[in-house]
Amino acid sequence: AQRVTQPEKLLSVFKGAPVELKCNYSYSGSPELFWYVQYSRQRLQLLLRHISRESIKGFTADLNKGETSFHLKKPFAQEEDSAMYYCALRGYGQNFVFGPGTRLSVLP
Amino acid sequence: DVKVTQSSRYLVKRTGEKVFLECVQDMDHENMFWYRQDPGLGLRLIYFSYDVKMKEKGDIPEGYSVSREKKERFSLILESASTNQTSMYLCASSLFLWGGRGSTEAFFGQGTRLTVV
Repeated sequence: AQRVTQPEKLLSVFKGAPVELKCNYSYSGSPELFWYVQYSRQRLQLLLRHISRESIKGFTADLNKGETSFHLKKPFAQEEDSAMYYCALRGYGQNFVFGPGTRLSVLP
Repeated sequence: DVKVTQSSRYLVKRTGEKVFLECVQDMDHENMFWYRQDPGLGLRLIYFSYDVKMKEKGDIPEGYSVSREKKERFSLILESASTNQTSMYLCASSLFLWGGRGSTEAFFGQGTRLTVV
């Protein structure tokens, strides 16, 4: 079965502190992993995907197949990073499976 | 830019009403999805469609049906709305990947917040 877990519902950090949003998945093959972000009053949008291996807005994520994890990291959090973050995978077939989400709050 | 447009941002309906949520995309995507977004539960797939007149049940199809008569339009229907269907509904679209291989992303609409009273 395909499943995505995000253990933290809410993560609060101070501005300038490092942040790590955790994501673990269940999948027997090689999934495609994504991080989506939803800022207040905006639509859900793609932040990054593992195959791109790029940094977006200072965020990076590394796929660890051994630990079945895809944690999102940023070395210095900014207040504008406050948002809802969803980890997602696309495995079998065409659809996308999302985790429950983590709300990141960056405090001044 | 990919545009996925949902017909309403907010809807208030009465219990027992038949409710239609409409979604249109302009990028010629084969796949379209309806998700329900609830706090603590994330996005749960209701139905998806990979072609005109084709549909597949997602994780929570009970109480819902869908219609895809044209490639660009995907409708979600609540046959008899109930209070437990009060939620945010998100439509999305993506390219069809042959054999499930390749890379694509889902593009989302702005969401429809439905309140059933």
